[in-house]
Amino acid sequence: EAQVTQNPRYLITVTGKKLTVTCSQNMNHEYMSWYRQDPGLGLRQIYYSMNVEVTDKGDVPEGYKVSRKEKRNFPLILESPSPNQTSLYFCASSHGLGGGPADTQYFGPGTRLTVL
Amino acid sequence: TQLLEQSPQFLSIQEGENLTVYCNSSSVFSSLQWYRQEPGEGPVLLVTVVTGGEVKKLKRLTFQFGDARKDSSLHITAAQPGDTGLYLCAGYSNSGYALNFGKGTSLLVTP
Repeated sequence: EAQVTQNPRYLITVTGKKLTVTCSQNMNHEYMSWYRQDPGLGLRQIYYSMNVEVTDKGDVPEGYKVSRKEKRNFPLILESPSPNQTSLYFCASSHGLGGGPADTQYFGPGTRLTVL
Repeated sequence: TQLLEQSPQFLSIQEGENLTVYCNSSSVFSSLQWYRQEPGEGPVLLVTVVTGGEVKKLKRLTFQFGDARKDSSLHITAAQPGDTGLYLCAGYSNSGYALNFGKGTSLLVTP
């Protein structure tokens, strides 16, 4: 089954404790991205990657790191989480770029992160 | 960032009513997408509109892309409780790589 998986689905942690949220897709997609979703602010892009070893900042990259060493994986790293990073995080992937018919973004199920 | 403004923010209607959701921007987009998100899940793509003036239909849902490619609308005919969810519009930036989302319209359809 074609899908985007994220782990963990739920995480409660404390300020300053490094964490990684994993994202994996089995569709051989080139493009992957991370979003956070907050009430009243909608979905905001954190980072995206056009291919292996190619990443770029989205709208809200501060406090986050990413890496793309393999095509299928795109982990999101919070080196020193803070309470303002409490949010619902989504990973997404797509085959192409730029909004064409091939550019359906497939979203993972989400990771709900709480930083105390 | 190319901003997308959606209206209304919330909409509560009864089964059988019609409704329209709007997505507006001051920027031109090469395409706009509409997603639907249900509680506890990620957004799912409904449609992509590419050509100015384009109209696409998906059963009871009609999507239109403005002639100037700055706005789009979603019209639902005879809404059903299964249409309940968060409707999001999204457009790719001029670079073609960053996807910007509107804040969404939360729709509740009651029987």
